[in-house]
Parts: sequence; C-alpha cells; structure tokens
Amino acid sequence: DIQMTQSPSTLSASVGDRVTITCRASQSISSWLAWYQREPGKAPKVLIYKASSLGSGVPSRFSGSGSGTEFTLTISSLQPGDSAEYFCQQYSDYPLTFGGGTKVEIK
Amino acid sequence: EVQLVASGGGLVQPGGSLRLSCAASGFTFSDHYMDWVRQTPGKGLEWVGRSRRKVNSYTTEYAASVKGRFSISRDELRNSVFLQMNSLKTEDTAVYYCTRDDSSGYPDFWGQGTLVTVSS
Repeated sequence: DIQMTQSPSTLSASVGDRVTITCRASQSISSWLAWYQREPGKAPKVLIYKASSLGSGVPSRFSGSGSGTEFTLTISSLQPGDSAEYFCQQYSDYPLTFGGGTKVEIK
Repeated sequence: EVQLVASGGGLVQPGGSLRLSCAASGFTFSDHYMDWVRQTPGKGLEWVGRSRRKVNSYTTEYAASVKGRFSISRDELRNSVFLQMNSLKTEDTAVYYCTRDDSSGYPDFWGQGTLVTVSS
C-alpha cells in the first residue's frame, strides 16, 4: 500500500498568514493527489485534484503543488472560515490511501 | 444539485451484519464510480471500497481489511449504492461516507456519513 505522511498534524496561525501543509507519498504517485477540507459537522469537500487543479467553487487562496512523492497545499491568506481539518489522498493505486490530517486553528 | 444521503448505521454486536444505503441524486448515477470511505478515531480516514461505473460493469474493489466480509452493490432504479457488512468487528466502528468519484478516480463529492458502532 502507498503510505501518505502528512505534516504538521496541527497548526495555529493568524488571519492573513500564509499556511503550508505537506504530504509525502511512500512511492511515486505522479500527480494523482487530492486535498480535502472538512469543517466540523460537515462532509469533506475537495479543494484540489490532480495535485494542482482547483476544485469547483474553491477560493483562489487555496493552491496545490508537487508531483511524484512530495506535495503541498498552501493557503495564501488564512481566513476565519478556514478553521478545519485538511487531508490528502492518493488515487494512483488501490487501495486509495489518505494522509493523517492537519487541524488548522485560527489564533 | 448533487446529493448523497447515507443511512442504515446503528449499533450492532460483533459478528453481526448491517447494510448501509446511499441515495444519490443530481447527477447521472451510472456514469460515476462510487466509493465508501470510513473515519475512525484511531486510524483516521480509510478507503473501504469502490463500485465502478456501468460501462465497467459495476465491478468492485475492496480494502484488504474488509475483503470477504463487505460487499458493494447498486440499484439503478433507486439510484442507490449499498454497503453490505458481515462478520462485523469492533474495529469496524466508524462513520461511513459514500462518495461520488470523478472520472480520474478521486472522490469529488462526499455525503454526510452514517455512524456504525460495533459493540457488545
């Protein structure tokens, strides 16, 4: 199975800060990576697919980069509504696997 | 508007069975892969299995942890996908989500989830 290692597990930042979350795959997954946001009490929502493509209706402050084994999700200017859990998922091979998640808190 | 409404969760004893349902609307059901994903407190998110689309004969894939115990099926008339869970274990306790997948294979829409608790 492809292991997805996500870091950090939690982060606390201020409104307006630039935030970066990293996901590392145990083997190359090309660009077959998605990022999701889950707000408390809500279903997860796709932010980024194919490593860097923005999901429908997702604000442009979210961006993704990387290929192979190293990937990042960046929030260019953190907003109050961005307090949520974020996780990555590889869909290069079965079984699909997820990162452990990052909880983003607003200071 | 795309909607996925999961139901059927509840409390079941170890060794028991449960069938989850996911009613889909707002898109052409037969054109999409559909997955089940679960969230456990200890292990985070775990992909459970997949039903491919109609052109792929609705064939299925499963995680090793559930293979042989869980099965996924569809009902086109009801636009629903099902997760039949047998021989349940305490470690199957989780919130179960159904997802619609994009043609490239990632879940592009998630339903709200239904809680399954396996306990005596």
